[in-house]
Amino acid sequence: GAVVSQHPSRVICKSGTSVKIECRSLDFQATTMFWYRQFPKKSLMLMATSNEGSKATYEQGVEKDKFLINHASLTLSTLTVTSAHPEDSSFYICSARGPGQTSYNSPLHFGNGTRLTVT
Amino acid sequence: QKEVEQDPGPLSVPEGAIVSLNCTYSNSAFQYFMWYRQYSRKGPELLMYTYSSGNKEDGRFTAQVDKSSKYISLFIRDSQPSDSATYLCASHTGGFKTIFGAGTRLFVKA
Repeated sequence: GAVVSQHPSRVICKSGTSVKIECRSLDFQATTMFWYRQFPKKSLMLMATSNEGSKATYEQGVEKDKFLINHASLTLSTLTVTSAHPEDSSFYICSARGPGQTSYNSPLHFGNGTRLTVT
Repeated sequence: QKEVEQDPGPLSVPEGAIVSLNCTYSNSAFQYFMWYRQYSRKGPELLMYTYSSGNKEDGRFTAQVDKSSKYISLFIRDSQPSDSATYLCASHTGGFKTIFGAGTRLFVKA
């Protein structure tokens, strides 16, 4: 249980275009999902918390107009990188807390990440 | 001071060795502790999840939490080349942000 699926696994786009990344909880409902960014050989950097049916909460220093997050259902959150630039190239990973009534205590389960390359 | 400190390594051991991975944390409110394994170009995979102090064993893996010293450990017995990965410790207080260590890169040589 607690499977999180992320798509695409890899994307290459041209500078100035937008890219959408999908994150789905396959076997449980996730009212909250989290988006992380990871640089090579570095740990996870939380970008934003995605809340179903409401606005996402962004971490300090993360541009909300550049990284658009939509959490339209209990199983799907999307991250859109708008007007991408080469410096946006990175590994983006989504996660969700495990299922259950005490999900706030549950550990995070991660998707397999999306490697974005902006040329 | 970071809330969760972890030596990034790399740590290189021969196959069959016992591996000890460690983290320290500063927030005494942390109650939930996790270890994740991350292979290159993949998302982190949950290995162990413990609450409060004590030990938890799962196959070749043992997680240990000592809240008095704010110390988290992961032991891997009979290490295999397939254990080569980055191991991340993490903690949270329940319902709040999960804090991750920097990750320790482990290499198990055949």
